[in-house]
Amino acid sequence: GAVVSQHPSRVICKSGTSVKIECRSLDFQATTMFWYRQFPKKSLMLMATSNEGSKATYEQGVEKDKFLINHASLTLSTLTVTSAHPEDSSFYICSARFAQAETQYFGPGTRLLVL
Amino acid sequence: GNSVTQMEGPVTLSEEAFLTINCTYTATGYPSLFWYVQYPGEGLQLLLKATKADDKGSNKGFEATYRKETTSFHLEKGSVQVSDSAVYFCALNPVDDYKLSFGAGTTVTVRA
Repeated sequence: GAVVSQHPSRVICKSGTSVKIECRSLDFQATTMFWYRQFPKKSLMLMATSNEGSKATYEQGVEKDKFLINHASLTLSTLTVTSAHPEDSSFYICSARFAQAETQYFGPGTRLLVL
Repeated sequence: GNSVTQMEGPVTLSEEAFLTINCTYTATGYPSLFWYVQYPGEGLQLLLKATKADDKGSNKGFEATYRKETTSFHLEKGSVQVSDSAVYFCALNPVDDYKLSFGAGTTVTVRA
């Protein structure tokens, strides 16, 4: 149980375009989802926390207008990288937790390459 | 604030060797402690966890004991396999929040 999927697993796009990444909890209802960014050989950096039906809470230094997060249902959250630039290239990982539980379950990640 | 400090890698071992990855933390109260593993090109998988002092988490031959007196949660495995090659992250969940704080990660390579 507690499986989280991400789509796509890998995406290449041109500079200036927008990219949407989906995060789904497959067998549980995720009251909270988290979005992380991971640079090569580095740890995870929390970008934002999203609760179903409410606006995401962004970490300091993360641009809200650049990284749009939507958590429209208890099983789906999306991260849209708007007007992507090469410096946005990274590995993006989501995680989810369900109510009353502290354990986060992670998705397999999405590798974004902006040319 | 909350923080996690992990021993720096990379760590290279031979098969069947003993593995220890040190992890210490700073937090108020009794946070929950986790070890996550990341295989190449993949997301993180929960390896084990402990939620209170003296708890021992274990899974797949790995163990870690929550030591409040030394604020540590060291990961150990008695006999590693090539398939254990991965990056290991120590993390804590504070008592008043659900945001995980991660250590820097330790890359482990096991050679046949």
